[in-house]
Amino acid sequence: EIVLTQSPGTLSLSPGDRATLSCRASQSVSSSYLAWYQQKPGQAPRLLIYGASSRATGIPDRFSGSGSGTDFTLTISRLEPEDFAVYYCQQYGSSPITFGQGTRLDIK
Amino acid sequence: EVQLVESGGGLVQPGGSLRLSCVASGFTFGSYWMSWVRQAPGKGLEWVANTKQDGSEKSYVDSVKGRCTISRDNAKNSLFLQMNSLRAEDTAVYYCARVNGHAFDFWGQGTMVIVSS
Repeated sequence: EIVLTQSPGTLSLSPGDRATLSCRASQSVSSSYLAWYQQKPGQAPRLLIYGASSRATGIPDRFSGSGSGTDFTLTISRLEPEDFAVYYCQQYGSSPITFGQGTRLDIK
Repeated sequence: EVQLVESGGGLVQPGGSLRLSCVASGFTFGSYWMSWVRQAPGKGLEWVANTKQDGSEKSYVDSVKGRCTISRDNAKNSLFLQMNSLRAEDTAVYYCARVNGHAFDFWGQGTMVIVSS
């Protein structure tokens, strides 16, 4: 099983700041199979990034993904108030499909 | 507009059974792999099961193998999860999700399952 470890666990920033979220895999993951999701309280997750770096439909360009192998990054260039949420990475390269434990992005 | 609507959750005693349903609309249901993903209260996301477009391939997380069965009825645009021998650790919100490429691109709002005596 591929274990995804996200860091930091909590990130406290202000609107307008740049956010950098990390996802590290216990084994190499094909870039095609790495995705990022945003989840707000009481809501279902929303796909942000697939294939490590492709934005899903309707996702603002302040969200970007990068990385390869075992190290992946989600960057939010300038935080908007609606961006404060929990973010999960996920791999689909090998079974079982696994998610990271999440990074909570809080307003400072 | 793509919509996924789950139902069938509720309170069940340990050892009991539930059948979750997900009705899809706004896309050609039979053209996509579909999945169930769950989230225990205050916890992260856990993939539960997958099924191929025609139902010929299915896979499960180890913790539900032998206790849960994923199935689909493409004529009714519906996905199901039969859950047996339920345990307290199965308590979660269960989401139906569409698989597109290698990601879950649409999710339902979820149905809550509580396993408790």
